[in-house]
Formats: sequence, C-alpha cells, structure tokens
Amino acid sequence: EVQLVESGGGLVQPGGSLRLSCAASGFTFSTYWMHWVRQAPGKGLVWVSRISSDGGSTNSADSVKGRFTISRDNAENTLYLQMNSLRAEDTAVYYCAREAPNPRYFDLWGRGSLVTVSS
Amino acid sequence: DIQMTQSPSSLSASVGDRVTITCRASQSITSYLNWYQQKPGKAPKLLIYAASTLQSGVPSRFSGSGSGTDFTLTISSLQPEDFATYYCQQSYSTPRTFGQGTKLEIK
Repeated sequence: EVQLVESGGGLVQPGGSLRLSCAASGFTFSTYWMHWVRQAPGKGLVWVSRISSDGGSTNSADSVKGRFTISRDNAENTLYLQMNSLRAEDTAVYYCAREAPNPRYFDLWGRGSLVTVSS
Repeated sequence: DIQMTQSPSSLSASVGDRVTITCRASQSITSYLNWYQQKPGKAPKLLIYAASTLQSGVPSRFSGSGSGTDFTLTISSLQPEDFATYYCQQSYSTPRTFGQGTKLEIK
C-alpha cells in the first residue's frame, strides 16, 4: 500500500527538542521531493520545510529556520524533521507530504503527528 | 513569498447548491495552483492540480479554473460529504504557500 506514516510527536517543554519521522512505503521514495506541513489547532495549513529527492537541497520557512532541520534516509525510506528550541507556537499537527513532479502538487499525505509544546 | 488569499473564509450552503470559492495570488503563478479538501481530524486530500486537472478518483462535480493570479474552485451540486474546509496552494515557488482556507458548512 502506498502510504506515509508519521511518528515521534508528543509533549515537550519550551526550549526542548523532538525528532519526527515519516516512513514511506509502496512507492520509490528516493525519486520524490518531500515536505513537512503543519497545522496549529483550529488553524490553517502552513508549509514548513522541503527536501530534494537526493537530500542535497533543502528549504525551510522563516519561522523555523535555524531551529528545524529536514533530512531523509533513502535507504530506509524515511523522512525526518529535527525540531530544536521549540516554542509554544510550534504546537501543531505535523504532516509529511509527497510532492509529485511538474506541475508539482502534494498527492500523498500522512495522517499527521501532534506536537505539543507546553510546560 | 507569494501570498494566497481565499474568499470567502466561510460559506453556508445546502445540498444540491452550486458553490464557488476563489483564490488570489499576490503575483502571477501561471497555472501552479492546487486545491485540497480537509475534513476534521483528517489529512488534506488533493482535489485539483495545475488549476484545472481533476485528481484521479475525485468526483466530476468538482472543477477548477483560472490562471495568472485569479482562480476558482466550483462544486456543481453539493453533496453531504463535501462539507469540509478547502485550501488553495501555489506550487510556483518556495515556500509553497496555502490560502487561509474556506470552511463550507451546511445551511
């Protein structure tokens, strides 16, 4: 089955760290650009970060730049998001998403992983 | 960054109604515009990509149009399962920005 499954979310104190994982299956993971998108409770979708198919190129939103790092292991078919210096405003459901090539769209999403930053 | 603005933010309609949601980009994105549907507690689902191409498996009552900066999503005859929140997203450049969402509610 073609799917993405996130894990690693939970409750963390402000200033703490967490690493999210996104396990891919049923497709050739190494050929797709991958993204993280988050959604704060009751709010809209916000793009967080992306990584090229070979992991050589990454981009992140200004709000997380310098704190979050996206990476991937194509041998293990897994996408990661290392989140450091977490803030209350980072509380959200984090989705990983596969981006289909040109014309570029997110055609496969995981179910999401909830990250709560609170003392 | 390209800003995406949807209108309306919320909409009340009845089963069988025809509804239109609009999305405006802050600069031209040619046809790099996608629409997603999200139901409470679920991940977003792709409906339309490249402004007007229906994703496989999506009912034909959904359609999209537009290019440049102005786009529309139309549902020709609302069904009970269509009540959800809809988001547009540009894929012209990074960051891949989303509109703020349009919540479609039952009248």
